[in-house]
Amino acid sequence: KAGVTQTPRYLIKTRGQQVTLSCSPISGHRSVSWYQQTPGQGLQFLFEYFSETQRNKGNFPGRFSGRQFSNSRSEMNVSTLELGDSALYLCASNITPGLVGYTFGSGTRLTVV
Amino acid sequence: KQEVTQIPAALSVPEGENLVLNCSFTDSAIYNLQWFRQDPGKGLTSLLLIQSSQREQTSGRLNASLDKSSGRSTLYIAASQPGDSATYLCAVGGSASKIIFGSGTRLSIRP
Repeated sequence: KAGVTQTPRYLIKTRGQQVTLSCSPISGHRSVSWYQQTPGQGLQFLFEYFSETQRNKGNFPGRFSGRQFSNSRSEMNVSTLELGDSALYLCASNITPGLVGYTFGSGTRLTVV
Repeated sequence: KQEVTQIPAALSVPEGENLVLNCSFTDSAIYNLQWFRQDPGKGLTSLLLIQSSQREQTSGRLNASLDKSSGRSTLYIAASQPGDSATYLCAVGGSASKIIFGSGTRLSIRP
């Protein structure tokens, strides 16, 4: 059974650019959550999608957005990149939100220069 | 607002020792608590999940306990090995259907 797949694994972008990250959940999982991990702030919740609807959103600026497709795959977009957006972005999937444990992908390492 | 704290932030022990990692949370109205392991630069690997109605879960050399009334969970690692070196994170799942992470304990097992 395939796990959570995040692409790309590594990404280098320039300030001001935008970036799109992709997450494919475990087959049958309809909930996808996104987290940002930095050395200073730890793991911070970005948003969660279930059945193509955003159910929850963390305290991030509007430059951070996401969506979920009918096949449960999710994308996260960050516009007008800042140096502080450099982080490991992790995606987690679940059958339904919050009831059972989450399975995480390996993450996308984003570096903004 | 749920806050999750892990103490200590870092721990170094010799190989073979048994050890306990601590996690505390402020709001006892939780659905579950999950322990993860993270190796440097990698994603999170789920170790144990405890539902709110359970008191403990075991997997191999790992045992996690949950005391909702006191807002605490412990992860017990028996007979530690160098391969156990990693950052251990606890995450609390609540009614808002998002999980709140602690800041982690960085564990180093000395051969």
